[in-house]
Amino acid sequence: DGGITQSPKYLFRKEGQNVTLSCEQNLNHDAMYWYRQDPGQGLRLIYYSQIVNDFQKGDIAEGYSVSREKKESFPLTVTSAQKNPTAFYLCASSPAGGGDTQYFGPGTRLTVL
Amino acid sequence: GNSVTQMEGPVTLSEEAFLTINCTYTATGYPSLFWYVQYPGEGLQLLLKATKADDKGSNKGFEATYRKETTSFHLEKGSVQVSDSAVYFCALSDHSGNTGKLIFGQGTTLQVKP
Repeated sequence: DGGITQSPKYLFRKEGQNVTLSCEQNLNHDAMYWYRQDPGQGLRLIYYSQIVNDFQKGDIAEGYSVSREKKESFPLTVTSAQKNPTAFYLCASSPAGGGDTQYFGPGTRLTVL
Repeated sequence: GNSVTQMEGPVTLSEEAFLTINCTYTATGYPSLFWYVQYPGEGLQLLLKATKADDKGSNKGFEATYRKETTSFHLEKGSVQVSDSAVYFCALSDHSGNTGKLIFGQGTTLQVKP
């Protein structure tokens, strides 16, 4: 089955620790995205990548980092510089940029204690 | 800049009632418009989309028409079921710079009671 997987589903970390969220897709999509979801605020774009070895900051990139070494993988690191990291993180992919439908993974809920 | 505004929730309906969730947008150019649905604890699933003015997207009894004159993309369903209870997001594609970004509304929670 083709799709997007995110792991783990729930993640707990102590304040001050970096943590990496996994996102893998086997849809052969070029573009991948990371969003943050907070209650009542919709989704906000953190980073996106339209091609391997290239990525751009979204609207709320501070305190986050990404890499895109393989087409199918787009991991997100939440660093200790992120002031309020507790949130639901969603990864998405699309065949290409420019208005194509985005397909979402099941999400990772990160709680920083 | 581009933006999406949805009606505030929660919307509470009885089973078999008619549903309307309003969505209006501000955008330059001709964005594509989407409705996504999110069930508790899950990611977003595409419900329907429309890519140009007057297009009607439809799926699973839901439909929405791209109205450029009123900059709206309201979601409707003639008879809701308890299983439709979820959060619904309206979104538009940000065509500026060809980034593929989607701009989301804040989401509208729908609760359907038996």
